Amino acid sequence: DSGVTQTPKHLITATGQRVTLRCSPRSGDLSVYWYQQSLDQGLQFLIQYYNGEERAKGNILERFSAQQFPDLHSELNLSSLELGDSALYFCASSVGLAGSSYNEQFFGPGTRLTVL
Amino acid sequence: DQQVKQNSPSLSVQEGRISILNCDYTNSMFDYFLWYKKYPAEGPTFLISISSIKDKNEDGRFTVFLNKSAKHLSLHIVPSQPGDSAVYFCAAIRSGAGSYQLTFGKGTKLSVIP
Repeated sequence: DSGVTQTPKHLITATGQRVTLRCSPRSGDLSVYWYQQSLDQGLQFLIQYYNGEERAKGNILERFSAQQFPDLHSELNLSSLELGDSALYFCASSVGLAGSSYNEQFFGPGTRLTVL
Repeated sequence: DQQVKQNSPSLSVQEGRISILNCDYTNSMFDYFLWYKKYPAEGPTFLISISSIKDKNEDGRFTVFLNKSAKHLSLHIVPSQPGDSAVYFCAAIRSGAGSYQLTFGKGTKLSVIP
């Protein structure tokens, strides 16, 4: 158990809909990262928040947005869903920008999104 | 454009033998490299890392080698055990970018045969 929790574990929805994925980081971790794992693209970085502020953006679509709340949990919002958005979405947390001595990010178990 | 490449989608090794997983990268700005291990229905877990100022790092049965001139790293597992069967992801960080986002390869599925 990494200490990072993600809800829900599974989500099935239809095209055009909007969903929210939730992540609670490890206690004391200030950085939250979101990654998408799809069959053809592998694990790709989407966005990072540090202590409530957006820190870096990766391959995140404009239809997707995220935020980190004062209690440090984070939500990833996916809207106007398309079939191609079906993927595993992972959240990871680390102590700070540099993480531990190994820049370690601790990953949650993921949310599997299926868009029908 | 895949900046971190793991060209072998799968690898089968006999228990007790050495497993060698390979990874190539194209971005010379990467200065930290990590290996993550992933079991089904779980998130990736950190295994071992290496800074670009080193060429080798050992942790028990796991050793990572880095060849900067070839932009190549490898993970050696000796001896391999059935519990090592998992998907292994190579990842890289460009620490000067102000974020420690990981750039992952697509993974290699290791099967250790008893």
